[in-house]
Amino acid sequence: DGGITQSPKYLFRKEGQNVTLSCEQNLNHDAMYWYRQDPGQGLRLIYYSQIVNDFQKGDIAEGYSVSREKKESFPLTVTSAQKNPTAFYLCASSMARHPVAQHFGDGTRLSIL
Amino acid sequence: DQQVKQNSPSLSVQEGRISILNCDYTNSMFDYFLWYKKYPAEGPTFLISISSIKDKNEDGRFTVFLNKSAKHLSLHIVPSQPGDSAVYFCAASADYGQNFVFGPGTRLSVLP
Repeated sequence: DGGITQSPKYLFRKEGQNVTLSCEQNLNHDAMYWYRQDPGQGLRLIYYSQIVNDFQKGDIAEGYSVSREKKESFPLTVTSAQKNPTAFYLCASSMARHPVAQHFGDGTRLSIL
Repeated sequence: DQQVKQNSPSLSVQEGRISILNCDYTNSMFDYFLWYKKYPAEGPTFLISISSIKDKNEDGRFTVFLNKSAKHLSLHIVPSQPGDSAVYFCAASADYGQNFVFGPGTRLSVLP
């Protein structure tokens, strides 16, 4: 079945460590997105990529980095520069042609030890 | 400043009755709107959309209404079912669906 796979589902990080969240899609979608959700808030865009080897900052990119070396994969690295990394992270993808709804993965919950 | 607001954090409705979820926005450049449903520990799933050239879009039990002058949209679910219990997010785009701004969500509980 086609879909978006995020792994792991739960992730724990020590302060000062970088951590990478995985996002893979087999929907043949061109565009991929990373969002962060905090309690009582909507999804906030971290980074997005419309095409391989290209990506743009979203509203809250500071302390995060991404890469898009393959169409299927859009990993997100939460760096030690991100001061409040504890959150629920959602990856999404969509066709490049707009408008169209985004398909979401089931998310990764990141917690700081 | 939140551009997309869902002022009711939660809503309870009896099974079989109508559920009305509301969303207000401030950016008059928004031209495309989506509703997503989210169950616990899962990602949001797309429910229904509407573009700014329409004022209503219907899909089965779900209808979205758009009032551009009031910068308000609403999602009607008729009849409500227990399986509809979830968090509903409103999302708006100013570039016709390339990027979206999400509201904080409303938790709907449909009581049997």
